Amino acid sequence: GAVVSQHPSRVICKSGTSVKIECRSLDFQATTMFWYRQFPKQSLMLMATSNEGSKATYEQGVEKDKFLINHASLTLSTLTVTSAHPEDSSFYICSASPGDPEAFFGQGTRLTVV
Amino acid sequence: GQSLEQPSEVTAVEGAIVQINCTYQTSGFYGLSWYQQHDGGAPTFLSYNALDGLEETGRFSSFLSRSDSYGYLLLQELQMKDSASYFCAVMDSSYKLIFGSGTRLLVRP
Repeated sequence: GAVVSQHPSRVICKSGTSVKIECRSLDFQATTMFWYRQFPKQSLMLMATSNEGSKATYEQGVEKDKFLINHASLTLSTLTVTSAHPEDSSFYICSASPGDPEAFFGQGTRLTVV
Repeated sequence: GQSLEQPSEVTAVEGAIVQINCTYQTSGFYGLSWYQQHDGGAPTFLSYNALDGLEETGRFSSFLSRSDSYGYLLLQELQMKDSASYFCAVMDSSYKLIFGSGTRLLVRP
């Protein structure tokens, strides 16, 4: 199957700083990638659709200025959590598909803001 | 908007069969997917139904009824390693997935 790699897997940052998370499709090109957020024992909540070469599409209630998404190439999307606060602590995970209904997920990033 | 409902928890014994139901209300429906997620891990794809009927993949089968906005995942010959969370997800034409609340399956010896 296709491979999606996400980095870092874990990050601890101080309140007020920014954190960048990378999502790469290793063996296919992805014009679209998706970013999700998951709190413990809860579902995956779609945050935004990352579109190569254009602006991301954010879901209702997601602050675009806080969660900056850049999809600069066909294999890389980045999510930057700006001015992080403890309530931003969560599991962030990306997905992409080579064009069929099966979505491939990155390993996820556990963000802890202290 | 989109909403999906599935039971929060299911418990079954090893070797048994369990069915996890999913009902959905959605716009732009393209298909229904099922994903498995172990604690701390990434979701992994199990199955996908775009048309009505049953899809079988090994021990796992998935069913869809578009007219009833209903689907289920059937797990047979349960093993301890099947203990995980299972999510149904509606896919639209852009491959965007909206996930259900998830069902935690506990398999007991």
